Amino acid sequence: ETGVTQTPRHLVMGMTNKKSLKCEQHLGHNAMYWYKQSAKKPLELMFVYSLEERVENNSVPSRFSPECPNSSHLFLHLHTLQPEDSALYLCASSQDYGRTGSEKLFFGSGTQLSVL
Amino acid sequence: AQKITQTQPGMFVQEKEAVTLDCTYDTSDPSYGLFWYKQPSSGEMIFLIYQGSYDQQNATEGRYSLNFQKARKSANLVISASQLGDSAMYFCAMREGIANAGKSTFGDGTTLTVKP
Repeated sequence: ETGVTQTPRHLVMGMTNKKSLKCEQHLGHNAMYWYKQSAKKPLELMFVYSLEERVENNSVPSRFSPECPNSSHLFLHLHTLQPEDSALYLCASSQDYGRTGSEKLFFGSGTQLSVL
Repeated sequence: AQKITQTQPGMFVQEKEAVTLDCTYDTSDPSYGLFWYKQPSSGEMIFLIYQGSYDQQNATEGRYSLNFQKARKSANLVISASQLGDSAMYFCAMREGIANAGKSTFGDGTTLTVKP
């Protein structure tokens, strides 16, 4: 199995829908992240979870709601999104959070989200 | 001011030749780390190489090396003996202070195309 798995790979939703993105890591890592990658914009950090506790929330609108039920799973619940939310959503993990500065991130393949 | 600048939106290289991807950064923190990631068309970001601000030697990982020029605040990625599979988007990222790598700032990326 690949290290970080994201489902679905593609998602099309209307502005009134509710959907969830799922991320699972098989690396035994303690930290998990959600990133947003929009066209023509740098990668944006959205949320960080360390040992299942949210440690970062970078001014993300409340229509994005993360959930981390255990150290291996991370969800991003989507509700009443806007067309500008269309982007590639990447999940990542790292061994720890805040212990060293050299820890590399392991990314999933992302969910390509289109909001109509 | 942008913290990470990648001035080359697109680069072409002939197979088996070496290529340098540019990255300049801006920080006043004496402790920082620099990362390079590769993103193929599949979407998954793959860690390539890391350089810490206090590292005395340039980092190397197989065919990847980082040309770290601290005074010029540049951290260029050198790929030797390019392969067709190297065609991808390449991102430079920086972590400032002792914060975890997940809080890195990413550049806009450079698209590398390897020609047969």
